[in-house]
Amino acid sequence: EAGVTQFPSHSVIEKGQTVTLRCDPISGHDNLYWYRRVMGKEIKFLLHFVKESKQDESGMPNNRFLAERTGGTYSTLKVQPAELEDSGVYFCASNQDRGFDEQFFGPGTRLTVL
Amino acid sequence: ELKVEQNPLFLSMQEGKNYTIYCNYSTTSDRLYWYRQDPGKSLESLFVLLSNGAVKQEGRLMASLDTKARLSTLHITAAVHDLSATYFCAVDPSGTYKYIFGTGTRLKVLA
Repeated sequence: EAGVTQFPSHSVIEKGQTVTLRCDPISGHDNLYWYRRVMGKEIKFLLHFVKESKQDESGMPNNRFLAERTGGTYSTLKVQPAELEDSGVYFCASNQDRGFDEQFFGPGTRLTVL
Repeated sequence: ELKVEQNPLFLSMQEGKNYTIYCNYSTTSDRLYWYRQDPGKSLESLFVLLSNGAVKQEGRLMASLDTKARLSTLHITAAVHDLSATYFCAVDPSGTYKYIFGTGTRLKVLA
């Protein structure tokens, strides 16, 4: 069974540019989560999808971040325009039964904003 | 503010030695998770602890949970180089489904 995959693995952009990160959850998992870890800090929750619906986006830092999950399969996280403080590692996770299963994480996308 | 404190942050140990990583959390949580991450790889689920007094063991790693003390430990027995990685604990405050992570413990086992 394929795990959670993320693309790209690493992205380097300049301040003010736009970047789109992609996450493919484990097939059949309705729940998809985004987290990020900025340098030296904890991994922090960003948002949670159930199928194509945003269940909880309380962790989204500001309106420069837009997450979508059209069709309830893969998800994208767009940062527009990127700022220096957006640098970090963005993780995606998924599970089927949110009340029972642990979350399965992808390898992350390392975003560097110069 | 909900917090999860993990210590130590860095741990360098000799092969064959024992050590414990601590995870304290400030909120009520019925579940605690331990993950391992190798550089550039996914967070790999190690243990899911679901109740007070839960103890789970896998190879040289053993995790326990004391919900009354809001403390979990990850004990390493007779460390080997392959255990070198970053270890994270995370709690799932009841009903929220958003994990709160500790800062991670970077473990280096020296041959």
